Amino acid sequence: QKEVEQNSGPLSVPEGAIASLNCTYSDRGSQSFFWYRQYSGKSPELIMFIYSNGDKEDGRFTAQLNKASQYVSLLIRDSQPSDSATYLCAVTRSARQLTFGSGTQLTVLP
Amino acid sequence: ETGVTQTPRHLVMGMTNKKSLKCEQHLGHNAMYWYKQSAKKPLELMFVYSLEERVENNSVPSRFSPECPNSSHLFLHLHTLQPEDSALYLCASSQSWSVTYEQYFGPGTRLTVT
Repeated sequence: QKEVEQNSGPLSVPEGAIASLNCTYSDRGSQSFFWYRQYSGKSPELIMFIYSNGDKEDGRFTAQLNKASQYVSLLIRDSQPSDSATYLCAVTRSARQLTFGSGTQLTVLP
Repeated sequence: ETGVTQTPRHLVMGMTNKKSLKCEQHLGHNAMYWYKQSAKKPLELMFVYSLEERVENNSVPSRFSPECPNSSHLFLHLHTLQPEDSALYLCASSQSWSVTYEQYFGPGTRLTVT
């Protein structure tokens, strides 16, 4: 079992729709969770982080965390073509080291 | 310059060459990281430096040699690499290593080993 699993996609949604990206992790002791966006040929860019169970909203982005189910998701409302990228989920195995998933490729169709 | 910078952005080297990658962070952070990103694979953490001291070395081959002369600069010295070492090498920094803080990435160096 991979430590951090993401559906590789590609995930396609029409412009204006809600894109839902999911991530599961294996280490129950994981404490911090991050979502990065990576455009093709570019480096990862931090979008959001979440530490507590529940939802955290920032603009069009909402991160959802359920530690009991070992599940974290990212919702993108009113998706735009500029949101087309690979989204990386990252989880702390310990207090010090991030473990990344392979990423989900999102395409927003105009 | 702002954020995290890396040079060179692209590098082609033969298996017998020696080269170095450079990273500089302008964020006042105390921790710096080297990652390797290969196609279709997750980001792999290679090395972590905290306050210029190496604190993590994730079983990286000795042909990769990191150096951290101060908290703002990080190098990755490369020698006798293999074609499978071709990848995007990313540098990142965070406020502290002892507490989980978000990491900020540089633009990366695209390395091709011929």
